[in-house]
Amino acid sequence: AQSVTQPDIHITVSEGASLELRCNYSYGATPYLFWYVQSPGQGLQLLLKYFSGDTLVQGIKGFEAEFKRSQSSFNLRKPSVHWSDAAEYFCAVVRGSGGSNYKLTFGKGTLLTVNP
Amino acid sequence: GAGVSQSPSNKVTEKGKDVELRCDPISGHTALYWYRQSLGQGLEFLIYFQGNSAPDKSGLPSDRFSAERTGGSVSTLTIQRTQQEDSAVYLCASSLTGTSSYEQYFGPGTRLTVT
Repeated sequence: AQSVTQPDIHITVSEGASLELRCNYSYGATPYLFWYVQSPGQGLQLLLKYFSGDTLVQGIKGFEAEFKRSQSSFNLRKPSVHWSDAAEYFCAVVRGSGGSNYKLTFGKGTLLTVNP
Repeated sequence: GAGVSQSPSNKVTEKGKDVELRCDPISGHTALYWYRQSLGQGLEFLIYFQGNSAPDKSGLPSDRFSAERTGGSVSTLTIQRTQQEDSAVYLCASSLTGTSSYEQYFGPGTRLTVT
């Protein structure tokens, strides 16, 4: 069964600092990978996704992520964090093809706090 | 356009009561999903509807949980004889079709508290 690990439960950064949120997945075949963000009381918003091709993907709000097959990782990065980025971030994986290729499996999430 | 909407936004119920949670997907989306978000378990898949196909109910945690989708649009998740462990945020999502290539758009969720 596929699984997603986000090793950091809570990260605090200063506004303007760079950010990297870690995500490791376990899956036998090529997965489709996603990063979602959830602000308090809100649903999940898709930041970016990786299906194939260029391993560095750009998303909304200035985020990017890099797929590294050798490390089974899909880390999220942002060069300069804004106070409005404070939220919880979820990495998710889904089977790229075949049966049940619609069930998202999520990591436990990383809560981001931004200090002024 | 309008996103996925869910009602109620908050629901407090007594243990043993039945509850119904509603989801209105984005117009034209044929696939609809329910997920549960709880402190202990994180985000979990519950059930999936795609058009007129039989739903995938493999994520429902017990037979107290059921869901239906009427007319290929609105969906209702019903929890019978609620227990305290059912307390969670229930998220609904929809997508154009039910394959991994299509983004799932999430609603704001219904926060269920069982007292």
